[in-house]
Amino acid sequence: QVQLVQSGAEVKMPGSSVKVSCKASGGTFDNYAINWVRQAPGQGLEWMGGILPALGRTKYAQKFQGRVTITTDGSTSTAYMDLTSLISDDTAVYYCARDRMNTAMVTPEPFDMWGQGTRVTVSS
Amino acid sequence: DIQMTQSPSTLSASVGDRVSITCRASQNINFWLAWYQQKPGKAPKLLIYEASALQSGVPSRFSGSGSETEFTLTISSLQPDDFAIYFCQQYSTYSHTFGGGTKVEIK
Repeated sequence: QVQLVQSGAEVKMPGSSVKVSCKASGGTFDNYAINWVRQAPGQGLEWMGGILPALGRTKYAQKFQGRVTITTDGSTSTAYMDLTSLISDDTAVYYCARDRMNTAMVTPEPFDMWGQGTRVTVSS
Repeated sequence: DIQMTQSPSTLSASVGDRVSITCRASQNINFWLAWYQQKPGKAPKLLIYEASALQSGVPSRFSGSGSETEFTLTISSLQPDDFAIYFCQQYSTYSHTFGGGTKVEIK
């Protein structure tokens, strides 16, 4: 059974960048899109973007356009989320999450498998 | 972007109660709505998709209804394991917006 396993917690300075990884442990991404969702402390959920690993096709939320880059490494079945120009409001838990169905990112899907989350703290 | 509004923000109930949570979309999303359960320190868990379809492995006491702009999640008989925060999510567009959440707490 595939599980999504994320990298560990990060503490970053304002203005710097963070790169969080999400590995498909026990299998591969199997052509399902992988998304990134964040949750600020005590707040709701916010979709940042997604990628179709097989084609490298990406979609980003307008709010994060130009500041987030999502990539994958097919050889290791790992997805990455790179967020630049960090500010204190980027302090959050970042999750990767898999689409429920393989639609090749033609249509959006809900998320049926989630990583354990990575806490990113932005502080001087 | 489509806005999703959940109510109530907090719901106090007892084991065995029937509880309902409402989610309203700012525009028609047909039935492209999902419900998630989240417990402290854990990732969300998918309960319902396409407004009323039960995700595999989710107990049948959970049900979803609604279409277009108004949706409801119902728990028919609240169990101790159900005390958590519930979020709705629209996936009609790639903004994938979530509701603000409803905390179901013990009365």
